[in-house]
Amino acid sequence: GAVVSQHPSRVICKSGTSVKIECRSLDFQATTMFWYRQFPKQSLMLMATSNEGSKATYEQGVEKDKFLINHASLTLSTLTVTSAHPEDSSFYICSATLFSETQYFGPGTRLLVL
Amino acid sequence: DAKTTQPTSMDCAEGRAANLPCNHSTISGNEYVYWYRQIHSQGPQYIIHGLKNNETNEMASLIITEDRKSSTLILPHATLRDTAVYYCIVRTFSSGGSYIPTFGRGTSLIVHP
Repeated sequence: GAVVSQHPSRVICKSGTSVKIECRSLDFQATTMFWYRQFPKQSLMLMATSNEGSKATYEQGVEKDKFLINHASLTLSTLTVTSAHPEDSSFYICSATLFSETQYFGPGTRLLVL
Repeated sequence: DAKTTQPTSMDCAEGRAANLPCNHSTISGNEYVYWYRQIHSQGPQYIIHGLKNNETNEMASLIITEDRKSSTLILPHATLRDTAVYYCIVRTFSSGGSYIPTFGRGTSLIVHP
């Protein structure tokens, strides 16, 4: 299957700082990328849908000014957690698709905010 | 997208077949059945998908009932590395269209020696 990478795989930051997570589709061009958040022992919760070259669509309850998403190219989307707080600590996962075909997921980024 | 119902947990002996059921009674004609699995602390891994015919690949087989209201994912010879949470999702496959992928709680499969 297609390969999606995420960087970093884990990050620890201080409260109040911003953290950027990158999601790359390595062997295909992704017209759409999705960002999920997963808390321990829970399922994946969709945060936002990102289409290349346009603004992201956020799910209800997800603050767009706190979770900045940029999808500037067909192979790269970034999620920036601004002014991170301990409650933002979670497992962040991206996925990518080409024209709504099969979704391929990245390995995830574990964020710990102290 | 149609909702799905899966058992919360199942277990299977190593080397035996693991049969994971999924109910999707409200599935519509253009919705595909997708299966993913998530091993602890990793991103979900695509397994297989189908519309109405049974499908098989190197990882698993997917059996879809004739009325399409349920399906079964079959891991023919389960190994310890197949221990994971398995998600069944139904979604529209429309080129150029958009959809909102929704993950339920999935089935936690434990393969024991």
